[in-house]
Amino acid sequence: GDSVTQMEGPVTLSEEAFLTINCTYTATGYPSLFWYVQYPGEGLQLLLKATKADDKGSNKGFEATYRKETTSFHLEKGSVQVSDSAVYFCALSDSGYSTLTFGKGTMLLVSP
Amino acid sequence: GAGVSQSPSNKVTEKGKDVELRCDPISGHTALYWYRQSLGQGLEFLIYFQGNSAPDKSGLPSDRFSAERTGGSVSTLTIQRTQQEDSAVYLCASSRQGLEAFFGQGTRLTVV
Repeated sequence: GDSVTQMEGPVTLSEEAFLTINCTYTATGYPSLFWYVQYPGEGLQLLLKATKADDKGSNKGFEATYRKETTSFHLEKGSVQVSDSAVYFCALSDSGYSTLTFGKGTMLLVSP
Repeated sequence: GAGVSQSPSNKVTEKGKDVELRCDPISGHTALYWYRQSLGQGLEFLIYFQGNSAPDKSGLPSDRFSAERTGGSVSTLTIQRTQQEDSAVYLCASSRQGLEAFFGQGTRLTVV
């Protein structure tokens, strides 16, 4: 079945550092890929998405590129802020925006 | 209107009791999803309702779990004879068909 593997956290960075959170997936066919973010005390929010190979999703300074050859969708940001502290979930869907298979989440802690 | 609303936000129950968790989706959203978020397991899909179609129950972990959606709107997730391993955050999401899912803040269930 489908699965998503992402790096375990917590990831601890200083403000303005470069961020990479690795995500790889196993799926049949050509899934859509997503990053969701959960800020403290809030619900899950869609951060960005990509629906086909080589697509780049971007939002709020975060980027991720759908790499079919490496089955990866790594999340990057050039300069993190304290307000980026949250739990980040990589996810896939076999059919557009239907049911999602999530990774276990990676906590990001950014200190001033 | 308002986002996805879940109630209660917290529930503590004794082992063996039944519990009901409620989800009010965003008005007009035809799709409704339940997920479970537990330590070490990440986010697991439970059940998916789409319009008047038969629900996709493939993620329900046992026959103690059931869900219904009345009138294509409000949904109730019922857990019978709760066990300690049922302790988790139960998340509801809704979407227009084929579009982004919006998540509620979840119900934290603790079985003691």
